[in-house]
Amino acid sequence: SAVISQKPSRDICQRGTSLTIQCQVDSQVTMMFWYRQQPGQSLTLIATANQGSEATYESGFVIDKFPISRPNLTFSTLTVSNMSPEDSSIYLCSTIVLTNEQFFGPGTRLTVL
Amino acid sequence: LAKTTQPISMDSYEGQEVNITCSHNNIATNDYITWYQQFPSQGPRFIIQGYKTKVTNEVASLFIPADRKSSTLSLPRVSLSDTAVYYCLVGGPYNTDKLIFGTGTRLQVFP
Repeated sequence: SAVISQKPSRDICQRGTSLTIQCQVDSQVTMMFWYRQQPGQSLTLIATANQGSEATYESGFVIDKFPISRPNLTFSTLTVSNMSPEDSSIYLCSTIVLTNEQFFGPGTRLTVL
Repeated sequence: LAKTTQPISMDSYEGQEVNITCSHNNIATNDYITWYQQFPSQGPRFIIQGYKTKVTNEVASLFIPADRKSSTLSLPRVSLSDTAVYYCLVGGPYNTDKLIFGTGTRLQVFP
């Protein structure tokens, strides 16, 4: 299994600022994923972050808005840049450790005023 | 990646068996079917995965017909703590591929 922690757990930010969310896994993993979950909605995949390569973004998400770092096999960051109220969401990271399940972090609840 | 369709919501009472059906008409030969559970303010949690026929673990059973175009998650004797959103996903073998979440089914269990 994998234990994933995220920092911060929640934050309230002003529009136009940026927030960096950290994701730490308790074991070395190849693939890490970042999701967004807007209030009452399902999860939407933002990007896939593999160590040693640039992140792969899903349609509708761009690197300038959501830059991702993956400096090693246990850590990743997602930055939400130039925030607006529409960015208010829960941001979750996840990874695959075993062959048949994906593990998720507890999420970061972001509110943009 | 195959698209999935589930009921938006379901209600049940404690002690009853709950069956949530998911349609995935365009499932590919290599796709597995996986169900996740999500409680408020938490990330999704793996429940069960299968490829065909029936899979059972300590939490649930998963029934998959021969054509694999649908699947049914069965929760025996639900309790209040089973109130959550349940997601059905299909994806490449061993979940090495990205997961695309559908709308999910919001299960409400009443006393």
